[in-house]
Amino acid sequence: GESVGLHLPTLSVQEGDNSIINCAYSNSASDYFIWYKQESGKGPQFIIDIRSNMDKRQGQRVTVLLNKTVKHLSLQIAATQPGDSAVYFCAENRPRSQGNLIFGKGTKLSVKP
Amino acid sequence: KAGVTQTPRYLIKTRGQQVTLSCSPISGHRSVSWYQQTPGQGLQFLFEYFSETQRNKGNFPGRFSGRQFSNSRSEMNVSTLELGDSALYLCASSFSLQETQYFGPGTRLLVL
Repeated sequence: GESVGLHLPTLSVQEGDNSIINCAYSNSASDYFIWYKQESGKGPQFIIDIRSNMDKRQGQRVTVLLNKTVKHLSLQIAATQPGDSAVYFCAENRPRSQGNLIFGKGTKLSVKP
Repeated sequence: KAGVTQTPRYLIKTRGQQVTLSCSPISGHRSVSWYQQTPGQGLQFLFEYFSETQRNKGNFPGRFSGRQFSNSRSEMNVSTLELGDSALYLCASSFSLQETQYFGPGTRLLVL
C-alpha cells in the first residue's frame, strides 16, 4: 500500500528570535544524548551532545537541557538565523546491550527573515 | 580533516537487483554505523562495525548485510531489492564504540 510520510512537527520563528526544540526520549537507561541538524539533501550534522550526569550544556548559540525525571531533552538556539532552517533530530544512545543510536522523528525549524 | 565520504551519491536500480554502497570514515575513526532514512520511518539503525566485526544489528531482514575492512572503510549490500528499499542510506563514523557519530552525505537509492 501507499506509505504515509512522517508528519514532522514544525516550528516557525522570526529571524533573531530564540528557538526551543523539544524531544522526549523513551529509555531511562540512556546515558548520552545528541542533537543533529539535517539540511535538505545532506546528512545529519552534529550540533551538541550531553551526558546523563549533566543537566545543561552550552555551545555557540545553542544550549541543550536534559531533564531525566521526565525523560525530556530540549535544544535552545539563540538569535535564530535563516541558516538554522533545517530538520533537527535528537538521538539517545542506549547502553551497548540495547542497541545503537535511537533517533526521534525530528522537528522542522523554519526561520522567517 | 576530511569528513565521512559515501559513494555513490545517487543510484537507480530495479527490483530484484543488488547494490553495494561504500563508506570511508573520518581518518582515525574505527567504528562505522549504517542507517536507513525514509519519509515513512525516519532514521533507522542498520548495523555497526568496529575492528572489522559487526557489533550491533538493527531490525532489518537478512537481505541487508555489511562488512568492514582493515582500513575501517565499510560497505553495505542489499540483495534482491524491493521498492521499499528506496531510501537515503547514511553512514556515520566514530572514534570508537559509544562515541559521537559523524554522518556522511548519504547515498540516495531509488528502486524502480
